[in-house]
Amino acid sequence: GNSVTQMEGPVTLSEEAFLTINCTYTATGYPSLFWYVQYPGEGLQLLLKATKADDKGSNKGFEATYRKETTSFHLEKGSVQVSDSAVYFCALSGSQGNLIFGKGTKLSVKP
Amino acid sequence: DTGVSQDPRHKITKRGQNVTFRCDPISEHNRLYWYRQTLGQGPEFLTYFQNEAQLEKSRLLSDRFSAERPKGSFSTLEIQRTEQGDSAMYLCASSLLQGPLEQYFGPGTRLTVT
Repeated sequence: GNSVTQMEGPVTLSEEAFLTINCTYTATGYPSLFWYVQYPGEGLQLLLKATKADDKGSNKGFEATYRKETTSFHLEKGSVQVSDSAVYFCALSGSQGNLIFGKGTKLSVKP
Repeated sequence: DTGVSQDPRHKITKRGQNVTFRCDPISEHNRLYWYRQTLGQGPEFLTYFQNEAQLEKSRLLSDRFSAERPKGSFSTLEIQRTEQGDSAMYLCASSLLQGPLEQYFGPGTRLTVT
């Protein structure tokens, strides 16, 4: 069945460091891919999305490219800020329109 | 646009009691989803509605769980005879019928069964 695997956290970085959070997926067909973020005490927010192979989603300095050949959708940011501290979830669209999530990766950015 | 709202935000109940949660989706969204999230895990799909029709239910949704969406607007999720294993965050999301089905989530209802 469809599934998402994310790198395990927590990830701790210093401010202005480069961020990569790995995400790979298993799916039949061509799902849409998403990154959601959950800030402390808040609900899930859509960060970015990509709907087909080679699409690049971007938002707030974060980017991820839909790589069909490697079944990956890694999240990157060139220079993280303390305010980026949160839990990041990779997800794909299931056959019924539901989302299938990874376990999440907690990011802590130190000043 | 007020976003997805859920009520209550927190619920503490004793084992064996029934609980009901409410979700109000974004007004023009046809689809409404329920998920459950336990500590350290990503949300897991429970069920979804397209307008008032419940179209899909996960195996996670035992017979003690029931969801409704009368008139295709708000939805309720009821858990009967709660068990300690039901303790979790219950998330509601909504989306448009068309497009990549990006879903917008509410703040969740945290259930604690004692």
